[in-house]
Amino acid sequence: GAVVSQHPSWVICKSGTSVKIECRSLDFQATTMFWYRQFPKQSLMLMATSNEGSKATYEQGVEKDKFLINHASLTLSTLTVTSAHPEDSSFYICSARDNLVGGGLYGYTFGSGTRLTVV
Amino acid sequence: RKEVEQDPGPFNVPEGATVAFNCTYSNSASQSFFWYRQDCRKEPKLLMSVYSSGNEDGRFTAQLNRASQYISLLIRDSKLSDSATYLCVVNPGNTGKLIFGQGTTLQVKP
Repeated sequence: GAVVSQHPSWVICKSGTSVKIECRSLDFQATTMFWYRQFPKQSLMLMATSNEGSKATYEQGVEKDKFLINHASLTLSTLTVTSAHPEDSSFYICSARDNLVGGGLYGYTFGSGTRLTVV
Repeated sequence: RKEVEQDPGPFNVPEGATVAFNCTYSNSASQSFFWYRQDCRKEPKLLMSVYSSGNEDGRFTAQLNRASQYISLLIRDSKLSDSATYLCVVNPGNTGKLIFGQGTTLQVKP
C-alpha cells in the first residue's frame, strides 16, 4: 500500500529557532500534500495544502510567513516552522493522495507525524 | 457550528459489547466520508470508507444518511485492541481537503 514517510518523528528546539519537517511519498507520486496540526485532546486541523511546483494554499488563520511550505518534487513536501515559540508545540502530520488513485473512496495516506516541542 | 461534530466520549465498554458512534456534518455538498482510527500519539489510519448504501467490514459497519447529514460506525463484539479514538472525516468537495471531527474515544475493558 501507499506509504508516506515523515521525518523527524520528534524534535525539541529552542524558542526562536526554525525547524524543518519532511514528508515523502515513497511509492507513489503526489501533486498535492496536506499539512495538519493537532494539539492535545483536539482533532487534526488542516493548516495548508501543498501543491507541487506552485505556492501552498493556507487555511484561514495560518501564517504563511511562519509556516513555510515547499513542494519541490512529486514526492517531497517540507514544512518549516520559522522562529518557533512554545505555542507552536504540537503534533504535525502530513498526508498525501496518490495522483493515480486520487482520494475519492480510498482516503489519504498519513505520515507518522512529528511531535514538536519548543522550549 | 463545527463542520464535523462527534460526541467525544469517552465510551467505556466491556469486551464483547456493541458500541455505536455518531457523527454529523454541516456541508450538504460533501463528497466522501471516512472513519479513521487514531491510537495515542500516532497518526490516523483509515478504518473504512463510508458508502451511501452502507458497508460492513468484519465487525465494523458504517452507515451514511445524506438527508440527515449523519454518519455512524457500529462496532460489534468489541476487543481490547479496539481501544482508540475514532475520527469521523469528511471530504467536503473535490479539493482533497479532509475535515476531521473531534474524535470519539473508546476504551474497551476486560
